[in-house]
Amino acid sequence: AQSVTQPDIHITVSEGASLELRCNYSYGATPYLFWYVQSPGQGLQLLLKYFSGDTLVQGIKGFEAEFKRSQSSFNLRKPSVHWSDAAEYFCALSGGYNKLIFGAGTRLAVHP
Amino acid sequence: EPEVTQTPSHQVTQMGQEVILRCVPISNHLYFYWYRQILGQKVEFLVSFYNNEISEKSEIFDDQFSVERPDGSNFTLKIRSTKLEDSAMYFCASRPRQGENTIYFGEGSWLTVV
Repeated sequence: AQSVTQPDIHITVSEGASLELRCNYSYGATPYLFWYVQSPGQGLQLLLKYFSGDTLVQGIKGFEAEFKRSQSSFNLRKPSVHWSDAAEYFCALSGGYNKLIFGAGTRLAVHP
Repeated sequence: EPEVTQTPSHQVTQMGQEVILRCVPISNHLYFYWYRQILGQKVEFLVSFYNNEISEKSEIFDDQFSVERPDGSNFTLKIRSTKLEDSAMYFCASRPRQGENTIYFGEGSWLTVV
């Protein structure tokens, strides 16, 4: 079955610290993988995506993610977090041209 | 930058009432979706729509729900008789064409059923 697991429900980091949000997936082949961010009361904004090729993908707002097939992971990283990064982050996969399957989300809090 | 727009941003309705949530997908996109997010929970797929018909729907999308693309620009989600458990954020989304896998989301419509 297709699924996405985000093991960390809530993460708190200090401003300027590095960040890594974990995402593991279950899928029979190589999926299309996405990270979306949702600020409070807002919609879902696409941060980055992986379809094929280079396993390290760059996104907006200084985020990057690395696809590791051997670990079925697609972790999101940022070298230095800003207070404005406080939001909820969703990892998602698509098996083809249709629906996205989302993880439960990780809520990021940033301490000044 | 083109975006998916949704109206209303927030609606409060009484249980048993019909609700229509409206969406204008990005122009020239061909695939359309509705997702929902109950407060504090994950985003769940409801339905996908292509070529004027439903291409896939989830178990959530029962007979109380329907979708329509009435005029070539709007994409609506109708809930015939709302229940308390329908309270959620409903997201509309669209995708350009076959071969392009990125799905673009609107800002969502908060539905509160009282």
